[in-house]
Amino acid sequence: DQQVKQNSPSLSVQEGRISILNCDYTNSMFDYFLWYKKYPAEGPTFLISISSIKDKNEDGRFTVFLNKSAKHLSLHIVPSQPGDSAVYFCAAGASNRDDKIIFGKGTRLHILP
Amino acid sequence: NAGVMQNPRHLVRRRGQEARLRCSPMKGHSHVYWYRQLPEEGLKFMVYLQKENIIDESGMPKERFSAEFPKEGPSILRIQQVVRGDSAAYFCASSPPLPGELFFGEGSRLTVL
Repeated sequence: DQQVKQNSPSLSVQEGRISILNCDYTNSMFDYFLWYKKYPAEGPTFLISISSIKDKNEDGRFTVFLNKSAKHLSLHIVPSQPGDSAVYFCAAGASNRDDKIIFGKGTRLHILP
Repeated sequence: NAGVMQNPRHLVRRRGQEARLRCSPMKGHSHVYWYRQLPEEGLKFMVYLQKENIIDESGMPKERFSAEFPKEGPSILRIQQVVRGDSAAYFCASSPPLPGELFFGEGSRLTVL
C-alpha cells in the first residue's frame, strides 16, 4: 500500500526551463510534506517543506505547491540548472509524533544542456 | 557540529553472516529512523526509534532484522544470517523532538556475496 506516490520515474528538462515534479498521497492524516534531493552514493538532503495550512512555499528557485483536496503536491524548480540533476523524493508525515515519515519512490531529474 | 554519522559506509558479508550497521544521530536529536533503498527503488521505511523505545517497526522484516537505540551509544540495525536480497543501501535519519525535517546520514552499503 503506497501512501506516497511519485508516478514519473524520470524526467528530462532543458537547462533554464522549469522542472515540475509531482507527488500524490492517499493518507488524509498527513499534514506536512517534504522534498529531498539525492545524488548517487550520498544521503538525501532536505530541500523544502510545506505544512497543510499553506498551499505554497517558496525558497529561491524552489517552490512547492499543495492541493489538499486533490491530495497532490508538486515541486517547481526554475530556472533548472545542471546541478539539479538528481533523484527527488517526496515525503509526508503526520504531526502526531508517533507517526513515521513515508517517502515516495523518487523521480530522477535530468537537466539537459 | 557533526551531522548524522553512519558506519561502516561499506560492508561486505557472505551469506549467513551477521551485519551490524551503526548510526549516531545529530546532537540534540532524540528520534532515529532507518530506511532501506534497493536498486531502482525509493526509500522504504523500516523502523522508527526513540532512546530505548521502538515507536514503529512496521517496515522491518519479521525475521533476522532487529534495531535498537540504547540510552548511551548509537542506534544499531542488525541483520542476522544475511541473504543476497539484503544487499542494499541502508540510510539512517534523525530528527529533533518536534515533527519536521529528517537529517540523513551518508548511508551504509551492504553487499552480500
